[in-house]
Amino acid sequence: EAQVTQNPRYLITVTGKKLTVTCSQNMNHEYMSWYRQDPGLGLRQIYYSMNVEVTDKGDVPEGYKVSRKEKRNFPLILESPSPNQTSLYFCASYRTGSYNSPLHFGNGTRLTVT
Amino acid sequence: AQTVTQSQPEMSVQEAETVTLSCTYDTSESDYYLFWYKQPPSRQMILVIRQEAYKQQNATENRFSVNFQKAAKSFSLKISDSQLGDAAMYFCAYRRGQGAQKLVFGQGTRLTINP
Repeated sequence: EAQVTQNPRYLITVTGKKLTVTCSQNMNHEYMSWYRQDPGLGLRQIYYSMNVEVTDKGDVPEGYKVSRKEKRNFPLILESPSPNQTSLYFCASYRTGSYNSPLHFGNGTRLTVT
Repeated sequence: AQTVTQSQPEMSVQEAETVTLSCTYDTSESDYYLFWYKQPPSRQMILVIRQEAYKQQNATENRFSVNFQKAAKSFSLKISDSQLGDAAMYFCAYRRGQGAQKLVFGQGTRLTINP
């Protein structure tokens, strides 16, 4: 089954404790992206990657890091989480060149930073 | 920068009735795509319907249809014969044309279905 897999689904941590949210897709998509969802703000792009070793900032990149060492994986790293990073996070992927195709989303990671 | 606005934070409708969710967007591009996503309590993002800006005909998917007014930059979603399973958060989203991948989302509208 074609899918984007995020882990964990829920995560509670404390301020300053480094964490990684994993994302993997099995569709051989070139493009992958991270979004955060906050009430009243919709979803906002954090980082994206056009292909292996190619990453770029989205609209709200502060406090986040990403890497794309393999085509299928795109982990989101919070080196020193803060309470304002409490949010719902989505990973998404897309086959470039198919311009009217939708993004494929993971099932989300609910992060709470205390 | 492109923006998407959903002015209705919450809507409710009686089961089997019709409801329309509003969305407006701002862009100077002529080539773009518009989407409606549904997010049920499971948090999954489900594509409901999409519209290419170059197409004049409004997209339709079963009970879901859009009213795409390009000049007015409006993209509303109509849900006919509302069902309890339609209860969800609905997001309108915009993507620029060729070469662009980023979706710009609206704030979302929470739809409640009253039995």
